[in-house]
Amino acid sequence: DADVTQTPRNRITKTGKRIMLECSQTKGHDRMYWYRQDPGLGLRLIYYSFDVKDINKGEISDGYSVSRQAQAKFSLSLESAIPNQTALYFCATSPGDYGYTFGSGTRLTVV
Amino acid sequence: GIQVEQSPPDLILQEGANSTLRCNFSDSVNNLQWFHQNPWGQLINLFYIPSGTKQNGRLSATTVATERYSLLYISSSQTTDSGVYFCLTGSQGNLIFGKGTKLSVKP
Repeated sequence: DADVTQTPRNRITKTGKRIMLECSQTKGHDRMYWYRQDPGLGLRLIYYSFDVKDINKGEISDGYSVSRQAQAKFSLSLESAIPNQTALYFCATSPGDYGYTFGSGTRLTVV
Repeated sequence: GIQVEQSPPDLILQEGANSTLRCNFSDSVNNLQWFHQNPWGQLINLFYIPSGTKQNGRLSATTVATERYSLLYISSSQTTDSGVYFCLTGSQGNLIFGKGTKLSVKP
């Protein structure tokens, strides 16, 4: 099994729908992250969590929410999806400030 | 906030050539990492290099924090080196990715 598993791998959804992207990790790390990647813009941080009771907004949190259900699980929700949220989404985990392990990504298309 | 610039944005090499990728940052940092995103989208951590020099096989990285830049060297490039190289830098709680350098290595 992969160290960081993201589901689904691909998703097409309609404008206005609620959607959840899930992430689980087997690394045993406390820190987890959600990033968004758009062509030519690199990766931008949406939310991060340093432990189960710690949730922090990142650079571009508007329109997103997260839930840290356990040390190993960190889910990202789009409450009402819009087309400009079409992107590649990555979950990552780390033991500290470095040593990031990324999931394989979720390609989300909002139509 | 911190500004991160990577250069060049695109680079095309013939297999066997050497290359240098650069990451400039606008403020003092205590964290700098290099990542490789392969053509299938997978992101791999290459180096944690807040200062000094490290080497791993054909890849090496140098960060001169006082002058606010980091360099990633790729020697004897191979087609498998193709992809996008990102730097991630800043201070705890405020780490920013650069926009990347897209490297294409031709056989």
